[in-house]
Amino acid sequence: AQKVTQAQTEISVVEKEDVTLDCVYETRDTTYYLFWYKQPPSGELVFLIRRNSFDEQNEISGRYSWNFQKSTSSFNFTITASQVVDSAVYFCALSEAGGGSEKLVFGKGTKLTVNP
Amino acid sequence: KAGVTQTPRYLIKTRGQQVTLSCSPISGHRSVSWYQQTPGQGLQFLFEYFSETQRNKGNFPGRFSGRQFSNSRSEMNVSTLELGDSALYLCASSLDTRQDYSYEQYFGPGTRLTVT
Repeated sequence: AQKVTQAQTEISVVEKEDVTLDCVYETRDTTYYLFWYKQPPSGELVFLIRRNSFDEQNEISGRYSWNFQKSTSSFNFTITASQVVDSAVYFCALSEAGGGSEKLVFGKGTKLTVNP
Repeated sequence: KAGVTQTPRYLIKTRGQQVTLSCSPISGHRSVSWYQQTPGQGLQFLFEYFSETQRNKGNFPGRFSGRQFSNSRSEMNVSTLELGDSALYLCASSLDTRQDYSYEQYFGPGTRLTVT
């Protein structure tokens, strides 16, 4: 069965600090996809990134970066120089490829609070 | 392009009643998925529809049902409401033109259902 674990329930940082959100996944599939979503207080989930299991290259997008390591089944998310607007709940999710289904299995989420 | 829309945004129902929630996907998206979000259980997959057919179903009782119309719009229905059905119900759509690939899902703002 697929499972996603986000061990950090809540993180609080001061603006401009760097913060890393951890994500560990379990799956028996050899082909799978990993996602990160952001849920601000308004409630709508915002897509941040998708990574497939064959692409272990790290990705950077502005202040956001993602570190995918198949050896440790982790897909961690780092925000550099955090800002108050980064305050939200962040979810890591897993999807199997193929099978004709887009089902996402989510972690419990990490609530990030960035204080001014 | 307009995003995923969900109606209504808020609902208050009493136990035993039934409710229908509506979701309009992003234009051109053929897959629509539904998720339930509660503080205790987090984000859980309800079901997914593609070309008017249910393609996958989560572990929810038969009181939860859905359908998809030819224009990809989707509805979900919950009959005989229970207090535990109080949750944020999120709809997501994805492009899904390839069966061997998992597309990112775009979420709507959700419907907040309160059962009293």
